[in-house]
Amino acid sequence: AQKITQTQPGMFVQEKEAVTLDCTYDTSDQSYGLFWYKQPSSGEMIFLIYQGSYDEQNATEGRYSLNFQKARKSANLVISASQLGDSAMYFCAMREVNPNFGNEKLTFGTGTRLTIIP
Amino acid sequence: KAGVTQTPRYLIKTRGQQVTLSCSPISGHRSVSWYQQTPGQGLQFLFEYFSETQRNKGNFPGRFSGRQFSNSRSEMNVSTLELGDSALYLCASSLRTAATSTDTQYFGPGTRLTVL
Repeated sequence: AQKITQTQPGMFVQEKEAVTLDCTYDTSDQSYGLFWYKQPSSGEMIFLIYQGSYDEQNATEGRYSLNFQKARKSANLVISASQLGDSAMYFCAMREVNPNFGNEKLTFGTGTRLTIIP
Repeated sequence: KAGVTQTPRYLIKTRGQQVTLSCSPISGHRSVSWYQQTPGQGLQFLFEYFSETQRNKGNFPGRFSGRQFSNSRSEMNVSTLELGDSALYLCASSLRTAATSTDTQYFGPGTRLTVL
C-alpha cells in the first residue's frame, strides 16, 4: 500500500527566506506521480507542482521546486523567497499508475502548516 | 476556463438525514474524484467516476454513494447522516487520459458539511 509521510506538522519562516517542506513516500510501484498542493484557510486545494517517477530532472514551477530523490523516496517542496500569501497547509500526495487504466486515487500526507512571519 | 465548482458550499444537517453534494468538473475533464477531509483522519479518498461509471472506491460504508452524469457532472450522496460525517468534502477533476502519472487532479472549493 502507498504511504506518504510529512514529519513537520508546523513551520514558521521569515518572509523572503526559502523554506523546504519534507515529504517521504513508500510504494512498491515503479511508475507513480508525486504532487504538492496548497490549502489556504478557505479550504480549496491548489495544485502547485508535479514530479513523475521517471522524470530525470527536478520539477520547477515559478518559486516552487521539487527536490526529488528517488533512491531515498523523498520529494521535498522548496519555496524560494517566501511571501505572506504562502501561509497555508501544504500537502504531499502520490498517485500510482495502473497500466490497466484503473486508478485515479491520490494518497495524501498529513500536511504541514506553514506560517510566514513578516 | 472555469475551475471545479461545488454546491452548496456550506450545509448543516441533523443526524439521520441524507444529503446530496454536487460537483461540476473543469470543461473537458472526464474524471471526478471525491475526498473527505477531517481533522482526525485527514484527506481520504471516497470514490472516482469516469464515463458515468465508478472506477475506484475508498474504504467508506455503503451510506456513501455517488454518480456521474453524461456531461461529467457528479453528485455524491450520504444517507443516514452521523455526527462523524461532519467534514469538508472535496471534489477533484482530471482529464483521465491514458494510463499516465501526469494527470493532475484539480480541486474545487469544497462543501463543508456539519451534522448536528
